[in-house]
Amino acid sequence: EDQVTQSPEALRLQEGESSSLNCSYTVSGLRGLFWYRQDPGKGPEFLFTLYSAGEEKEKERLKATLTKKESFLHITAPKPEDSATYLCAVRPNSGNTPLVFGKGTRLSVIA
Amino acid sequence: GAGVSQSPSNKVTEKGKDVELRCDPISGHTALYWYRQSLGQGLEFLIYFQGNSAPDKSGLPSDRFSAERTGGSVSTLTIQRTQQEDSAVYLCASSFLGLYNEQFFGPGTRLTVL
Repeated sequence: EDQVTQSPEALRLQEGESSSLNCSYTVSGLRGLFWYRQDPGKGPEFLFTLYSAGEEKEKERLKATLTKKESFLHITAPKPEDSATYLCAVRPNSGNTPLVFGKGTRLSVIA
Repeated sequence: GAGVSQSPSNKVTEKGKDVELRCDPISGHTALYWYRQSLGQGLEFLIYFQGNSAPDKSGLPSDRFSAERTGGSVSTLTIQRTQQEDSAVYLCASSFLGLYNEQFFGPGTRLTVL
């Protein structure tokens, strides 16, 4: 069964305190790993797509990396406006399910 | 429009009533998806439309759930005889070229079944 596990469930950081969020996955094959940001009361906002192990992508204070078993979302010197829930999703190589999502990591950045 | 829109933003209904949720995808996007997000749970795939192909209904939890997409654009998700466990946020997403591109989400419809 295709599965995505995100850790930690919640993370509280001081402004400027860098950290990483983890996304572990088991899939029959990987067509892509996606990171989204979700603010309360809103739909998920697309951040990154990674397709192969070793790939990295960056956007402002965020950097996503991918291995054969997991992905990391590194947050460098976070600001309070980075507070949100970060969702990881995979597109399996088999089956009809478009995306399989993890439950997310709820990030709070305190000024 | 600039993004995916959904209506209503909130819906409160009584157990046993039918509800309809609407999604307007991004213009030109050929694929449309419905997901459900319950408190403390990840997004759960419900149904997927791609162009004129038969929809992928493999995620629909029961036969009380159905969806249609008219003219390759607007979609309606219908839940018949609503139950309290149907309470959730229903999210719609669209993408270009189907499975191989990133999905863009609407703001969701929060459904509460009393």
